[in-house]
Amino acid sequence: QVQLQQSGPGVVKPSLTLSLTCAISGDSVSTSRAAWNWIRQSPSRGLEWLGRTYYMTEWRSDYAVSLKGRITIMADTSKNQVSLQLNSVTLEDAAVYYCTRWSHSGHYFDIWARGTLVTVSS
Amino acid sequence: DIVMTQSPLSLPVTPGEPASISCRSSQSLFHTRGYYHLDWYLQKPGQSPQLLIFSTSYRASGVPDRFSGSGSGTDFTLNITRVEAEDVGLYYCMQGLQTPITFGQGTRLEIK
Repeated sequence: QVQLQQSGPGVVKPSLTLSLTCAISGDSVSTSRAAWNWIRQSPSRGLEWLGRTYYMTEWRSDYAVSLKGRITIMADTSKNQVSLQLNSVTLEDAAVYYCTRWSHSGHYFDIWARGTLVTVSS
Repeated sequence: DIVMTQSPLSLPVTPGEPASISCRSSQSLFHTRGYYHLDWYLQKPGQSPQLLIFSTSYRASGVPDRFSGSGSGTDFTLNITRVEAEDVGLYYCMQGLQTPITFGQGTRLEIK
């Protein structure tokens, strides 16, 4: 059974970097059958896809255009996990952040982590 | 970006009665592999979203057959034949045809 376990601080100061990790069990981060995504949810924006990373002959990443330049999603094969870094956070980045698995064969998000509530506050 | 628009945003339903949620996309969700790339997710209170329907009309594993999806082009519908108390939550449609993947605003189903 695939499970995703998120970790990271729940409070980030404005202008600093939000960092979350997603530990994967029951699957390999390097699998060619899935992509590893980050999605966030806030009252003002609803569900917002942030980006993804996946391995297909090489590591690839895609990001939401609105966040380009601020966001990095990376895989750590030694720890079988995925990380999210979002730089220069503002109050608008406060949200619940979810790590999810995208099934390439099914074309859907089939596994979601429980989510991390991130507050931006000084 | 493909914009997803749901209606209604709030849906009070009497148990045992049917319910229907509409989702419209700003462009066709037809995939070259011959299906429409529209999924439905349900977020129950206090939980993460969970897959309900994929590729317009296929129920995810374990989803009761009272849930069904239909549609084509830019117009899609989620139907519940007889609403039960456990169906309460936020329903989202989502397009996975192209990045950025986008979601509808969500429809809150509540029991009358």
